[in-house]
Amino acid sequence: NAGVTQTPKFRVLKTGQSMTLLCAQDMNHEYMYWYRQDPGMGLRLIHYSVGEGTTAKGEVPDGYNVSRLKKQNFLLGLESAAPSQTSVYFCASSRPGTAFDYGYTFGSGTRLTVV
Amino acid sequence: GESVGLHLPTLSVQEGDNSIINCAYSNSASDYFIWYKQESGKGPQFIIDIRSNMDKRQGQRVTVLLNKTVKHLSLQIAATQPGDSAVYFCAEPFSGGYNKLIFGAGTRLAVHP
Repeated sequence: NAGVTQTPKFRVLKTGQSMTLLCAQDMNHEYMYWYRQDPGMGLRLIHYSVGEGTTAKGEVPDGYNVSRLKKQNFLLGLESAAPSQTSVYFCASSRPGTAFDYGYTFGSGTRLTVV
Repeated sequence: GESVGLHLPTLSVQEGDNSIINCAYSNSASDYFIWYKQESGKGPQFIIDIRSNMDKRQGQRVTVLLNKTVKHLSLQIAATQPGDSAVYFCAEPFSGGYNKLIFGAGTRLAVHP
């Protein structure tokens, strides 16, 4: 099915370990986003990309890096995981214009636990 | 991913009743607002949106009301069904364009038979 695919779905890391979350979309969307979702809070924007080879910081970028080497993929990296990064991570994509006109497509999320 | 939001406010309704979920937004200059539904283990799904020059917009069983005077948004679900049980979020544009969104904390809707 067309949409946004996130891998892995679950992961447990030890403090200080590194990992990469992969997001892939097959809708030819220009824009891609990484959000994190914590208990009692709305989704918060970590980083985003407006096209292949571009990335930009969002609301809570510290401790994360991203890359968009191919239009369909957006990678989120944690270089040295901390317990504060325990969260559910969502990737989303959209077309240029407004979210009102075209909407977001979200992946199903990655639950990350850092111990 | 499993749903988060263990500490979210919860609205409990009986099946068949109408539900009203509220949201306060922060930016009086936002030119549109979106409601999302998130079921357990899934990502948010678009429900309905409204432009700031509108007071009301209706969809299938859902209505969004916008009160710009008090910066308040509500989502009304008619004849609530068990399948409506989920967490509901409102969202508004983030500054700087590129479709970035700011999400509210969410409300959990629990529908009882």
